[in-house]
Amino acid sequence: GENVEQHPSTLSVQEGDSAVIKCTYSDSASNYFPWYKQELGKRPQLIIDIRSNVGEKKDQRIAVTLNKTAKHFSLHITETQPEDSAVYFCAAILSGGYQKVTFGTGTKLQVIP
Amino acid sequence: NAGVTQTPKFQVLKTGQSMTLQCAQDMNHNSMYWYRQDPGMGLRLIYYSASEGTTDKGEVPNGYNVSRLNKREFSLRLESAAPSQTSVYFCASSEYETSPWANEKLFFGSGTQLSVL
Repeated sequence: GENVEQHPSTLSVQEGDSAVIKCTYSDSASNYFPWYKQELGKRPQLIIDIRSNVGEKKDQRIAVTLNKTAKHFSLHITETQPEDSAVYFCAAILSGGYQKVTFGTGTKLQVIP
Repeated sequence: NAGVTQTPKFQVLKTGQSMTLQCAQDMNHNSMYWYRQDPGMGLRLIYYSASEGTTDKGEVPNGYNVSRLNKREFSLRLESAAPSQTSVYFCASSEYETSPWANEKLFFGSGTQLSVL
């Protein structure tokens, strides 16, 4: 089955700096890569996703890049703000048939004002 | 439109007791899931239901059973609770169908914090 590794497990940045979280996956057939944000005590919510036919996707201050050859993808947050503090989860999905989502172990991001 | 509704929000059980976590979605989604979240281990899939009438084991199914009661509802049952089942449980649903590039976004419930003493 799919295995997703996520690094780092914790990340502290100064407000206004950039943050990068990286994930690697094992199954080259995976073709959908979402990122979820979970604020303290809240439910995970999708913030951005990318499909295997695209190398990069941006949405305001967040972006995701995908390197299919190396089987890794990254979340980039620019101009970080205190409200970006949360746990971020990556996931890799193999489409077709039925859906089974494998999540990374999460990165706790702390943005220091 | 409430999305995914989970009950209860909190529960304390004694070892050996049983309970059922309820989940319902009002988005007409085909697929539903139960995850558990433990510190440092992310979200792990317990069971899922790709469509009404079907259920399949996920990564950590031991000690749990599920029922897809209808398209809206997917319940998780602990028959004999153990301390190792202390966790936060999330139900989720998605619109996913068998065609590629279909909407696979997961919508999560608000979670159930379960403690087994």
